[in-house]
Amino acid sequence: QVTLKESGPALVKPTQTLTLTCTFSGISLSTSGMRVSWIRQPPGKALEWLARIDWDDDKFYSTSLKTRLTISKDTSKNQVVLTMTNMDPVDTATYYCARLDSGWFDPWGQGTLVTVSS
Amino acid sequence: EIVLTQSPATLSLSPGERATLSCRASQSVSSYLAWYQQKPGQAPRLLIYDASYRATGIPARFSGSGSGTDFTLTISSLEPEDFAVYYCQQRSNWYTFGQGTKLEIK
Repeated sequence: QVTLKESGPALVKPTQTLTLTCTFSGISLSTSGMRVSWIRQPPGKALEWLARIDWDDDKFYSTSLKTRLTISKDTSKNQVVLTMTNMDPVDTATYYCARLDSGWFDPWGQGTLVTVSS
Repeated sequence: EIVLTQSPATLSLSPGERATLSCRASQSVSSYLAWYQQKPGQAPRLLIYDASYRATGIPARFSGSGSGTDFTLTISSLEPEDFAVYYCQQRSNWYTFGQGTKLEIK
């Protein structure tokens, strides 16, 4: 069974850097073809893809956010980390990680709500 | 960026009725389209991928169709647990989602 779980701060201040961790089980990012992504969802709004990391350490980012995002992996810990710099109140959202299986997000973690406020 | 437009924004139906949800892409995505269901306070769940294939464990009352720019998710006979928000997603050119259709009880 594949499970993913996000962790990180619930509250960050404007201009700060957000660091989120996705810890997963049932998969390994050292397995050829494995990919993990981050997606976010502002309250009451639609989903937005943020970043992807592959088993071979290839990394891809949303065009609109790429200057602020960094994705990395720790294969030994079964973790993927996302950092987002210069946080703003508009970045308030639930942040999800998900396995990317042939281009489809399945399964998803439960999500973690991050509020940006001073 | 490929824009996905879902309609209607809200669909009000009764249990037992048939639901038809639409997703239109701003350019062809071939069959690279998926549908997700999201219930309040939960993460999205993959229902349909490659436009018409049901994901593991998804009931047969859910079906998807379409190709190119026009896609449909059909729920043949609504069960109480089907009332939720549905999103489409394309993977033809990176990943984008539609704005969602809320399926509510009439």
